Parts: sequence; C-alpha cells; structure tokens
Amino acid sequence: EDQVTQSPEALRLQEGESSSLNCSYTVSGLRGLFWYRQDPGKGPEFLFTLYSAGEEKEKERLKATLTKKESFLHITAPKPEDSATYLCAVEETGGFKTIFGAGTRLFVKA
Amino acid sequence: GAVVSQHPSWVICKSGTSVKIECRSLDFQATTMFWYRQFPKQSLMLMATSNEGSKATYEQGVEKDKFLINHASLTLSTLTVTSAHPEDSSFYICSARRGGGVQSNEQFFGPGTRLTVL
Repeated sequence: EDQVTQSPEALRLQEGESSSLNCSYTVSGLRGLFWYRQDPGKGPEFLFTLYSAGEEKEKERLKATLTKKESFLHITAPKPEDSATYLCAVEETGGFKTIFGAGTRLFVKA
Repeated sequence: GAVVSQHPSWVICKSGTSVKIECRSLDFQATTMFWYRQFPKQSLMLMATSNEGSKATYEQGVEKDKFLINHASLTLSTLTVTSAHPEDSSFYICSARRGGGVQSNEQFFGPGTRLTVL
C-alpha cells in the first residue's frame, strides 16, 4: 500500500537552530514528491517539487532533497516566521492521486 | 501566478440546509481540481477529483449524493454539501492542477472554507 510518513510529528527549535524534517514514502514508482507549508486556518502553500533521487531545491532558508526512499526538508537558521505545518505529498507514476503525509508541526521560538 | 481562490472563507449554517463552496483558478486553466477535507491537527483527506466537463471521481467512503461536485469550466469547480449535519463541520480545501506535461504536477491550493453546521 502506498504510504507517506513524516517525522517528527512536532519539532520545537530555537531561532537559528538548524534542523531537518523527514518524509519517507513507499510507492511502486515515484512521479513527483511535493513539499507544502500550511499556516493555521489556511490552505497549503506550494514550496518544492522533486522528481528524481539526488535532486535538490532551495528557497531562502529551506532546502529539499530526495533519495529513493525519503525526502528531507532542511531548515537553516530558522526564524519564528518559519513556524508552520510542513506537508509532504507523493504522486505515483501512472496514478493521478496525490498522497499526503500527516505533516510536521514546526515551532520556532525567538 | 497559480492563484486559487475559494468562496466563502467561512460559513455557518443550520442542520439540514445545503451549502455551496466555489473554487476558482484565477490566473491559469485547471484541467483537474481536487476537494479535500481537513480536521484539526490532521492532514488533508482527499474527497474527490474533478475534471472539467466530466463527472467527479469520489474517494471510498465519500457520499457522492451528499457532496455534489460540478466542474463547470477550466477555472471553476463547486462543492455543494447537501443536507448538512454537524458532523460535516470541517475545513474544506480545494486545489487545482495546471494542464501540461510532467512538470505540471503541482497542486495549488485555495485558502480553505471553514464550515460550521449548527
């Protein structure tokens, strides 16, 4: 069964304390892996798409990487405004549906 | 680019009434739109997938007669919750996917609609 598992469920960081969020997935063939940010009471905001193992993408303090089994979202020197829930999602080759993980709630304290 | 709007942003209704939620892609044509439901502190649960001009595909366990989806054009999809009950209270989010090739798989999400049924 296709699965997307994110860890940790919640992460508390001090401002400036770099860390990584994990997204492990099980699909027969990966068409794309997506990272989204969601603030409370709002819809998810698209961050990155990764298509193949070894691919990396960066945006400000965020960097997403992909292997054949998992993806990491690295947050460098986070700020309080980075506090949000980060969602990982996977689309399978030949499929049409995107499977979302449960998310990691990130809290960054000043 | 890739902006998706939803209307209304929140709605309160009485039990037994119907509520319509609109989802629009403002600056692109969406070949496919998705409707999700999200409970507090939980992830998105896909309810249905709709393609312009054809019937929506509903996920297992989602009642198609209760959650009516109409994808009238390449920029508009609507979700109607019929005979709403308190257990239908939730955060409903739509997303839209652009047409195109492999590089167009991203979904762009609306801001969500908070439905409260009294």
